[in-house]
Amino acid sequence: DTAVSQTPKYLVTQMGNDKSIKCEQNLGHDTMYWYKQDSKKFLKIMFSYNNKELIINETVPNRFSPKSPDKAHLNLHINSLELGDSAVYFCASSQGWGEGGTETQYFGPGTRLLVL
Amino acid sequence: GQNIDQPTEMTATEGAIVQINCTYQTSGFNGLFWYQQHAGEAPTFLSYNVLDGLEEKGRFSSFLSRSKGYSYLLLKELQMKDSASYLCAVRDSNYQLIWGAGTKLIIKP
Repeated sequence: DTAVSQTPKYLVTQMGNDKSIKCEQNLGHDTMYWYKQDSKKFLKIMFSYNNKELIINETVPNRFSPKSPDKAHLNLHINSLELGDSAVYFCASSQGWGEGGTETQYFGPGTRLLVL
Repeated sequence: GQNIDQPTEMTATEGAIVQINCTYQTSGFNGLFWYQQHAGEAPTFLSYNVLDGLEEKGRFSSFLSRSKGYSYLLLKELQMKDSASYLCAVRDSNYQLIWGAGTKLIIKP
């Protein structure tokens, strides 16, 4: 009965490869997020979707492409992986957006990506 | 630009009290959050302040002063399991969360 789940938990791959990370939440939330946490532990928002629509798209390389097939899923595809992409990627979800949203975010366990 | 400042690391003794400060400069303010993150794990929600004053929740309390752009998280009766990073985050005028880099709290016996 995991609330926010991500797969895989660990991902080791070569430079130049394409990989995907999947995220699912069973909390009934309508907003989902992708964060990158680097070695300095700084959480940086990458994308956010509300009701399957993109609402936050921070300055990230266009090699990163999110896809939300439905409100419960937000996947992240990364093309042409680079060494600097090595980090922990967290998926999160919350209920609502903006003034009506609670904004308390629930995080998945993280995906530890290592690019060699 | 938007900025959240927290001390990088703090050390405290088991059973004692520790206060972790957070100052912020953001474009608008719609609430401040504290999250706890144990090493190798996901952040988990601790507290939320939107009005000035103190919010108490068991051993943890969080204080907010909007006029000063300041918050603190107070942890009482420290336990070894409280060793973690504590992240301060502010919701700005666009309702987007701006995150601090976190404070690593080390508890010693």
